Amino acid sequence: DAKTTQPTSMDCAEGRAANLPCNHSTISGNEYVYWYRQIHSQGPQYIIHGLKNNETNEMASLIITEDRKSSTLILPHATLRDTAVYYCIVKAGGTSYGKLTFGQGTILTVHP
Amino acid sequence: EAQVTQNPRYLITVTGKKLTVTCSQNMNHEYMSWYRQDPGLGLRQIYYSMNVEVTDKGDVPEGYKVSRKEKRNFPLILESPSPNQTSLYFCATLRSGTDTQYFGPGTRLTVL
Repeated sequence: DAKTTQPTSMDCAEGRAANLPCNHSTISGNEYVYWYRQIHSQGPQYIIHGLKNNETNEMASLIITEDRKSSTLILPHATLRDTAVYYCIVKAGGTSYGKLTFGQGTILTVHP
Repeated sequence: EAQVTQNPRYLITVTGKKLTVTCSQNMNHEYMSWYRQDPGLGLRQIYYSMNVEVTDKGDVPEGYKVSRKEKRNFPLILESPSPNQTSLYFCATLRSGTDTQYFGPGTRLTVL
């Protein structure tokens, strides 16, 4: 699975959009980009995933660059409850099936 | 409501006293796994199960046992706990055909 690079921490004002970047320059053609988050000591929570098209669900949007070497998770209207560690994971379906490798992630702090 | 439950949520025990952490899911997922999370080491997979009666070692299986007698339950057994097994434990299930995982709320174990 490709390695990912994320900023250690980011701040965001409540009500504003939070844009969390992730670099995955060695991504392969069959690897998906997954985003999870972990609110302090709770179980990680799936947010969204994509292959090459932009994706949107009720939680967030995922923008993947055309060359797929980087992506951005967008929380459109951040709230205090979005304060968490956000993990970007690149993984090929079927490879090491089921095992997720979490890096250090980005600590997002949403301020009032 | 789709969920993964773990019990107990908190446990303090002593070295050598056998314990079991239960995990149950109501999503009819075939794949289940156990992770431990330690500061600076991220989440590491302990054991996983592809289906009933099928289990296999993850990255850190030493000192742990599991069983999968029915699809919904996947208990983690520590036959003789030691202080280095003090950790935060998560059970997770996986939706077939994806790498989307659903995590339980966690069990914080302290072995004295």
